[in-house]
Amino acid sequence: SQTIHQWPATLVQPVGSPLSLECTVEGTSNPNLYWYRQAAGRGLQLLFYSVGIGQISSEVPQNLSASRPQDRQFILSSKKLLLSDSGFYLCAWDWTGENSPLHFGNGTRLTVT
Amino acid sequence: QKEVEQNSGPLSVPEGAIASLNCTYSDRGSQSFFWYRQYSGKSPELIMFIYSNGDKEDGRFTAQLNKASQYVSLLIRDSQPSDSATYLCAVNHLGNTDKLIFGTGTRLQVFP
Repeated sequence: SQTIHQWPATLVQPVGSPLSLECTVEGTSNPNLYWYRQAAGRGLQLLFYSVGIGQISSEVPQNLSASRPQDRQFILSSKKLLLSDSGFYLCAWDWTGENSPLHFGNGTRLTVT
Repeated sequence: QKEVEQNSGPLSVPEGAIASLNCTYSDRGSQSFFWYRQYSGKSPELIMFIYSNGDKEDGRFTAQLNKASQYVSLLIRDSQPSDSATYLCAVNHLGNTDKLIFGTGTRLQVFP
């Protein structure tokens, strides 16, 4: 069976500091990978998605970036965090095909102070 | 116009009642529809999916899809306090990536 791991679970970072969140998927190959953000009381905002190694698409221009150095590894980064970057970050995976549901990791609660 | 719309709630129902959650979508070409449950502070978990018009039942959950009217609903029978959560509707967005589009969710409260 497939599992998705995301860490850390919580993070408190000062404004202007860098960020690195990591996500790995086990039990499958060539998944589509996604980073979502959910601000308090808000819906899910798609930030990045990747259909393969080194292939990253950005949905929302901002100070975040994503990389996929390996098939089942997806990293979300920032060089300098803003207060508005606070939120609940979720990594997710699925397979290509319109009937494939998204499966989410446990999420990272990021607070920028 | 939002692509996937849900009433934010809260929807309050007594324990044992039927909870009815509704979702409308704008892309008439959408083919796949998903319901996720999200407890406070947790990540969304998939509870139902439906692809064809009509009803699909899974235990206490029934998903209903009406493509002509562009709505999908989730019925929860014999609601329990443990069902209290936010329910997210997601619809596939046809395109070269088949991304899911999420509604903002309906908060359900089941009181004893």
